[in-house]
Amino acid sequence: QQPVQSPQAVILREGEDAVINCSSSKALYSVHWYRQKHGEAPVFLMILLKGGEQKGHEKISASFNEKKQQSSLYLTASQLSYSGTYFCGTPRGGSEKLVFGKGTKLTVNP
Amino acid sequence: DARVTQTPRHKVTEMGQEVTMRCQPILGHNTVFWYRQTMMQGLELLAYFRNRAPLDDSGMPKDRFSAEMPDATLATLKIQPSEPRDSAVYFCASGLWGSNQPQHFGDGTRLSIL
Repeated sequence: QQPVQSPQAVILREGEDAVINCSSSKALYSVHWYRQKHGEAPVFLMILLKGGEQKGHEKISASFNEKKQQSSLYLTASQLSYSGTYFCGTPRGGSEKLVFGKGTKLTVNP
Repeated sequence: DARVTQTPRHKVTEMGQEVTMRCQPILGHNTVFWYRQTMMQGLELLAYFRNRAPLDDSGMPKDRFSAEMPDATLATLKIQPSEPRDSAVYFCASGLWGSNQPQHFGDGTRLSIL
């Protein structure tokens, strides 16, 4: 089942913070986060693992609540380069197959 | 930096024609994925391979789509015959085995079927 992302879109001014949420109706063992700029490929940001281990990005943080079956991506002091669509993906059945949410479009203005 | 290479980047063709998209995964990656992205459906997994063996193609319309990995450096996705509803961006991604490994995406093939 497809994870649900919220909000669908957010507009910020440079320097402001944002939180993007990803929730699932099924048990989560890990959550992947990707960012896609318009006309480009999705780019890996980080993986949140069950048990709290995080693999990925330096300037963007995230949390993973296994009980609530959700993950949140925190973008602090946003930069213009943070603009894009953020996708969370959850492995299906413990395999490498990812089911992606519909994305959250983030726009950072000067 | 190592990258996944996809060709062609753009393809416009008429309905009924055969379309072949190619992907060169990152050297050393043993898992290859094909995704389709549309505004309506978002990013959908079509098929994936591990060590060149097809593991799952349940996301693919079997009657017209086929995916193969003739060798470790080439994955192909074919559509025959193509239909206007196949218009989308097709991404190939590669990675290492395991659900906790990142996937590295190619730049995609933007396909338009007239």
